[in-house]
Amino acid sequence: AQSVTQLGSHVSVSEGALVLLRCNYSSSVPPYLFWYVQYPNQGLQLLLKYTSAATLVKGINGFEAEFKKSETSFHLTKPSAHMSDAAEYFCAVRWGFGNEKLTFGTGTRLTIIP
Amino acid sequence: ETGVTQSPTHLIKTRGQQVTLRCSSQSGHNTVSWYQQALGQGPQFIFQYYREEENGRGNFPPRFSGLQFPNYSSELNVNALELDDSALYLCASSSQAGESTDTQYFGPGTRLTVL
Repeated sequence: AQSVTQLGSHVSVSEGALVLLRCNYSSSVPPYLFWYVQYPNQGLQLLLKYTSAATLVKGINGFEAEFKKSETSFHLTKPSAHMSDAAEYFCAVRWGFGNEKLTFGTGTRLTIIP
Repeated sequence: ETGVTQSPTHLIKTRGQQVTLRCSSQSGHNTVSWYQQALGQGPQFIFQYYREEENGRGNFPPRFSGLQFPNYSSELNVNALELDDSALYLCASSSQAGESTDTQYFGPGTRLTVL
């Protein structure tokens, strides 16, 4: 079955430090990849998406992600963490044309240490 | 441009009851997807509606049903509520089914508690 794995349910980084949130997916079918952020008691906000163009994708709030087909990964990074980055982050995958379903990982809760 | 809206924000029901959740899609969008997010989990796909027809369904029982209206708003109905139905229900709208690069935009969700 197709699946999405987010390594680390909780990640803590110091303010100003590098943020790295990991996402791996299964399946050899070329995927469409998304990162969403969820603040407490809110819905999901799109951070960025990969749609088979450039492998390095830039999103909002200084986040970026790199698609690595050989590693089936789409890790999310930000060079310098800010207190406002504290939230839950979800990686999501959509496989193939006409398949509307998004499959989500279980999420990574990011905590920023002052 | 109006974003995705959902109502109600919170809802408390008892086991065995029925519930209807509502979603208004973003302006210009004709596709609505529903997801269930249990506490501490990622969202799980329930089903999708495109131009008033069901366009895909996840692993949910038939007591989860839906509708889409001509204005592309949508309802999620759940019959015979169970305790495990307690979750955040998210609605997402997108502009066109079949376009794999299309992006789903999410509403704020409805928090359902079943007692």
